[in-house]
Amino acid sequence: AQSVSQHNHHVILSEAASLELGCNYSYGGTVNLFWYVQYPGQHLQLLLKYFSGDPLVKGIKGFEAEFIKSKFSFNLRKPSVQWSDTAEYFCAAPTFDGLTFGKGTHLIIQP
Amino acid sequence: DAGVTQSPTHLIKTRGQQVTLRCSPKSGHDTVSWYQQALGQGPQFIFQYYEEEERQRGNFPDRFSGHQFPNYSSELNVNALLLGDSALYLCASSPQQNTGELFFGEGSRLTVL
Repeated sequence: AQSVSQHNHHVILSEAASLELGCNYSYGGTVNLFWYVQYPGQHLQLLLKYFSGDPLVKGIKGFEAEFIKSKFSFNLRKPSVQWSDTAEYFCAAPTFDGLTFGKGTHLIIQP
Repeated sequence: DAGVTQSPTHLIKTRGQQVTLRCSPKSGHDTVSWYQQALGQGPQFIFQYYEEEERQRGNFPDRFSGHQFPNYSSELNVNALLLGDSALYLCASSPQQNTGELFFGEGSRLTVL
C-alpha cells in the first residue's frame, strides 16, 4: 500500500541546533511531496512542497527539504532552529486514499 | 479574506448519537476534504467533495457521510457514534481537485462519551 512514514516522533533540540526530520514514501511513479506544520494552537499549514524539477525545495521560515528518489526520501531540514519552531511536523503525499500524512514529529526547541 | 472556517469548535456527544460538522472553504476554493485526526496521529483522509459530489473516499465506514452545497460549503455527518470516533475533525479546501496544497481549518473537537 502507498504510505508515508516519519522516523522521529519526538525530537528535542536546543536553539541554534541544526534540524533534520526524516520522511519516506513507499510508492513510485509521479511523486508529489509536502511538509505541513502545526504550531501550538494554530491550524495545519503548508510548509513546503515538491512537484518536480529541483529536488531541493525551499519553504517558509528558512525550512528546506530534499527529494532523493533513490532513497524514497523527502527529509526536512533547517540549519539553525529557533524556539518558535516548536510545533508538530507532518510529511504528506497524495495517494489513492487522498492526501496521506505521516504520524508526525513533535519538535520541541529549548531556549 | 476568510480562511477555512469550521463549526462547532468543540462538542460532546454520547455513543449512538449522530453529529453534523460544518465547513466553509477559503474564498475561491471549490474542493473540500475532511480528515480525522486522533490524538498523537497524523490526519486521516475521510473523503473529498467537488461539484457537490463525493469524488474520493478513504477507509471509513458508511456511518461517515457528507454533503457539499452549491456555495461550496460542506457538512460531515457521523451516525451511530462510537467512542473511537472521538477526534479532531479537520476540513481542508483547495482551488482544484487532487492537489496536496490544502488550506486547513482549526478543526472541530468531538468527544464521544
